[in-house]
Amino acid sequence: DAKTTQPTSMDCAEGRAANLPCNHSTISGNEYVYWYRQIHSQGPQYIIHGLKNNETNEMASLIITEDRKSSTLILPHATLRDTAVYYCIVRVGYGGSQGNLIFGKGTKLSVKP
Amino acid sequence: DAGVTQSPTHLIKTRGQQVTLRCSPKSGHDTVSWYQQALGQGPQFIFQYYEEEERQRGNFPDRFSGHQFPNYSSELNVNALLLGDSALYLCASSLLGLAGLETQYFGPGTRLLVL
Repeated sequence: DAKTTQPTSMDCAEGRAANLPCNHSTISGNEYVYWYRQIHSQGPQYIIHGLKNNETNEMASLIITEDRKSSTLILPHATLRDTAVYYCIVRVGYGGSQGNLIFGKGTKLSVKP
Repeated sequence: DAGVTQSPTHLIKTRGQQVTLRCSPKSGHDTVSWYQQALGQGPQFIFQYYEEEERQRGNFPDRFSGHQFPNYSSELNVNALLLGDSALYLCASSLLGLAGLETQYFGPGTRLLVL
């Protein structure tokens, strides 16, 4: 089972920031938080990952709480093309551990004009 | 730099038949993972191949088998197809380094319909 809890759906106005929350209260010290998104009928797209520090790349920012029990993915200026299902995944890094990603149901983000 | 590619894009088979799906990893990657995504669900892990061997396997029957070639490309084979095997089959590639994270990058998928 997925180790994360996400809202089923969210709406966001075009041009505004989209903030997608994720709860992972049972996260272990060596587990990372990964975010992927899947636009309809396409393969999942990697967005960002983090361990405990906040991370930013050209796509998004990832804010992880100090206790690491929750995180927020931020799309700073959402566009219609950001409409997708967003998956928050917790997994260990390499080190003889699991190689798979466990997907939950994700959050369906709808960006509206 | 080519990303992960999969073939074919779509496939229609009948119950009881066998199917082979193919995946070419992203340049520089050495590991291939396969996932099944039923309609309306998140992807489910089937297995992962590294150094031409199955490294880890999810909860899928033996009808699902795979192979990795010396050039790191991979095949997914499904025997005795069932209607429930209809799904989007996703391949993800990664670099299984000795240190650091293994981030998986997905291909566009193969849509399989079993009639």
